[in-house]
Amino acid sequence: GAVVSQHPSRVICKSGTSVKIECRSLDFQATTMFWYRQFPKQSLMLMATSNEGSKATYEQGVEKDKFLINHASLTLSTLTVTSAHPEDSSFYICSARGTTDHEQFFGPGTRLTVL
Amino acid sequence: GQNIDQPTEMTATEGAIVQINCTYQTSGFNGLFWYQQHAGEAPTFLSYNVLDGLEEKGRFSSFLSRSKGYSYLLLKELQMKDSASYLCAVRDSNYQLIWGAGTKLIIKP
Repeated sequence: GAVVSQHPSRVICKSGTSVKIECRSLDFQATTMFWYRQFPKQSLMLMATSNEGSKATYEQGVEKDKFLINHASLTLSTLTVTSAHPEDSSFYICSARGTTDHEQFFGPGTRLTVL
Repeated sequence: GQNIDQPTEMTATEGAIVQINCTYQTSGFNGLFWYQQHAGEAPTFLSYNVLDGLEEKGRFSSFLSRSKGYSYLLLKELQMKDSASYLCAVRDSNYQLIWGAGTKLIIKP
């Protein structure tokens, strides 16, 4: 199956700093990528949908100025958590959908801890 | 509103069979997915149903009834490694995935 990678897998940062998370589709071109957040013992929460070359579509309640998403190429999307605070600590997961496949392929996730 | 219901937690015995149910109410339907998620890891794809009926894949099977807004995931010959959360997700008319809260499956020896 298709492979999606995420980097870093874990990050610990101080409150007020910014953190960038990369999501790459390794063996296919992803026209659409999704960013999810998952708090402990809860289901996935879609944050935003990004299409290559256009602005991301954010879900209601997600601050677009705080969670910056860039989908500059068909294989790379980045999520930047700006001025991170402890309440932003979560498991961030990206997924990618190919041009023809009905399925979403998930990255391994990034565990963010803000101190 | 859109809603997906599945049991919060289930317990089963190693070697047995377990059925995890999922009911949904969504604006449109373009397929139902089942994912497995181990603690601290991302979900992994298990099955996809878009037509009514049963899809079998090894020890796992998934059933769909669109008229009833119902699906189940059947796991046979349970193994300890099957202990995980199982997520039901429906793709709506906008091709967005609507996620259930997940069912935590505990396998006992």
